Amino acid sequence: DGGITQSPKYLFRKEGQNVTLSCEQNLNHDAMYWYRQDPGQGLRLIYYSQIVNDFQKGDIAEGYSVSREKKESFPLTVTSAQKNPTAFYLCASSIGDSGRTYFGPGTRLLVL
Amino acid sequence: GQNIDQPTEMTATEGAIVQINCTYQTSGFNGLFWYQQHAGEAPTFLSYNVLDGLEEKGRFSSFLSRSKGYSYLLLKELQMKDSASYLCAVRDNDYKLSFGAGTTVTVRA
Repeated sequence: DGGITQSPKYLFRKEGQNVTLSCEQNLNHDAMYWYRQDPGQGLRLIYYSQIVNDFQKGDIAEGYSVSREKKESFPLTVTSAQKNPTAFYLCASSIGDSGRTYFGPGTRLLVL
Repeated sequence: GQNIDQPTEMTATEGAIVQINCTYQTSGFNGLFWYQQHAGEAPTFLSYNVLDGLEEKGRFSSFLSRSKGYSYLLLKELQMKDSASYLCAVRDNDYKLSFGAGTTVTVRA
């Protein structure tokens, strides 16, 4: 089955620790995205990538980093510089210039 | 920048119709999407409008007026399973989606 997988489903971070959220897609989509969702708020764009080896900052990139070394993978690192990381993180992909955006099941990050 | 507004909450009775409005002011427009999101889950695609008019898909319909920066999602014959958050999203010329805060719809028996 084609789709987007995210792991882990739940992730706990200690103070000062960097953590990496995994996102893999087998839809052969060029574009991939990371969104953050907080209670009562809409999804906010963290980073996006339209092609391998290239990515751009979204609206709330501070404290996060990404890489896009392979078409199917777009991992997100939440660094210690992100002071309020507790949120629901959603990875998404799309064909690019047409078609809808598909979402993975999400990773819920909690701070210990 | 992007500014997308939709009501916070709506309540309706099972079997009724509910209309969720969305207004937007965006720098560039390349389509409007509606997603459904149940609590704790990822959003799932409902509809897509890029031209003015009504798109119908079963019990769900979506309307777009680009000149007015306005869209609505119409849910007919409401069922209990339709209780969820409904997200309006606008795609810009860089093919990025910007989302409204979502409308929580509660369906009551």
